[in-house]
Amino acid sequence: SAVISQKPSRDICQRGTSLTIQCQVDSQVTMMFWYRQQPGQSLTLIATANQGSEATYESGFVIDKFPISRPNLTFSTLTVSNMSPEDSSIYLCSVEAANTGELFFGEGSRLTVL
Amino acid sequence: AQSVTQPDIHITVSEGASLELRCNYSYGATPYLFWYVQSPGQGLQLLLKYFSGDTLVQGIKGFEAEFKRSQSSFNLRKPSVHWSDAAEYFCAVGASSNTGKLIFGQGTTLQVKP
Repeated sequence: SAVISQKPSRDICQRGTSLTIQCQVDSQVTMMFWYRQQPGQSLTLIATANQGSEATYESGFVIDKFPISRPNLTFSTLTVSNMSPEDSSIYLCSVEAANTGELFFGEGSRLTVL
Repeated sequence: AQSVTQPDIHITVSEGASLELRCNYSYGATPYLFWYVQSPGQGLQLLLKYFSGDTLVQGIKGFEAEFKRSQSSFNLRKPSVHWSDAAEYFCAVGASSNTGKLIFGQGTTLQVKP
């Protein structure tokens, strides 16, 4: 298993601002994944973050809006840029257990945009 | 298209009663199947998973699920529900390992009556 810590756990932000979410894993992992859970909705994969390369974004998500950094094998950040109320969601960081397809999730960062 | 359907958005059962949460999937290949639980204010925790082999899988907290290929279903069951089981339950399907991309259902909210 993996222990995943996210910061902040929650925040209230103003429209037009940007917020960076941090994700720390207690072991080295090749890939880290960022998911979004909009209010009352399911989880949707935003992007995959590989160390040493640009993140791979899913359809509907773009780097300008959700820039991701992956400076080493245990850490990643997701920035939500130029926020609007529609960005109010829980953002979750996850990693995959080696060769199992099973994902471990952080507790999430709940963002509210006013 | 790949998809996961949880037909029941909200279920209420009495404590001690049995529980079945439905999950149907549409997937082109042999799927990896998962059930996750999300308690209020918490991250997602894996209850159980199916990759291959015995179609009845046991998970944590007394949960089990049965993979039925002919029905494209992976229903979650528990013989006797406890008040602490009140949470949101997500069924998810994925490809093989090392993708991090799970497709989640909309979730079922379980309420437990005393």
